[in-house]
Amino acid sequence: GAGVSQSPRYKVAKRGQDVALRCDPISGHVSLFWYQQALGQGPEFLTYFQNEAQLDKSGLPSDRFFAERPEGSVSTLKIQRTQQEDSAVYLCASSLAWGVSTDTQYFGPGTRLTVL
Amino acid sequence: DQQVKQNSPSLSVQEGRISILNCDYTNSMFDYFLWYKKYPAEGPTFLISISSIKDKNEDGRFTVFLNKSAKHLSLHIVPSQPGDSAVYFCAATFSGTYKYIFGTGTRLKVLA
Repeated sequence: GAGVSQSPRYKVAKRGQDVALRCDPISGHVSLFWYQQALGQGPEFLTYFQNEAQLDKSGLPSDRFFAERPEGSVSTLKIQRTQQEDSAVYLCASSLAWGVSTDTQYFGPGTRLTVL
Repeated sequence: DQQVKQNSPSLSVQEGRISILNCDYTNSMFDYFLWYKKYPAEGPTFLISISSIKDKNEDGRFTVFLNKSAKHLSLHIVPSQPGDSAVYFCAATFSGTYKYIFGTGTRLKVLA
């Protein structure tokens, strides 16, 4: 595929359940980002990977959030013991180079998570 | 503390006319700015960017203007088309980082 893909596109979870969200970046892209977009807001940075290394996780809201990219391509964002405030669209983005400001980030369609 | 602000939640423009979307920022360290367009149920799509060494960048119908002294940028779409109807996000970043700081978006509706 030419673009960033994410699955599932929609996820409904009961409060307290664990969820896993998948991101397939553009082939060959070194950098991968996760963002959280709450309703009516812009995307907010969660975490950054350069290949398989997680270089920045400063935006993860709590220790219930965990991300990995073990082979430097596909990434998974895991949320444990989901809470209602976790309801949001989770966007994945990738960029070609090693995450410099002028390296355009290309976004996937997002996963809309609803926690009941 | 909202570092990037889009104060107009929505804008309606007649087809063929100019659309002007505005964005203000507070952090003087920002030196690279981007506009993304987002259709419903899709991710943001990169539209155009501008470095702080420039005050204007043009790509077809889209032009971004940067006023550093006012900490303000704007996106001009001329002529506007119904397919331009979407939510537009302004984003900012600075050298040495990779984080984009996004505004809250402006919903543009182009009326046929």
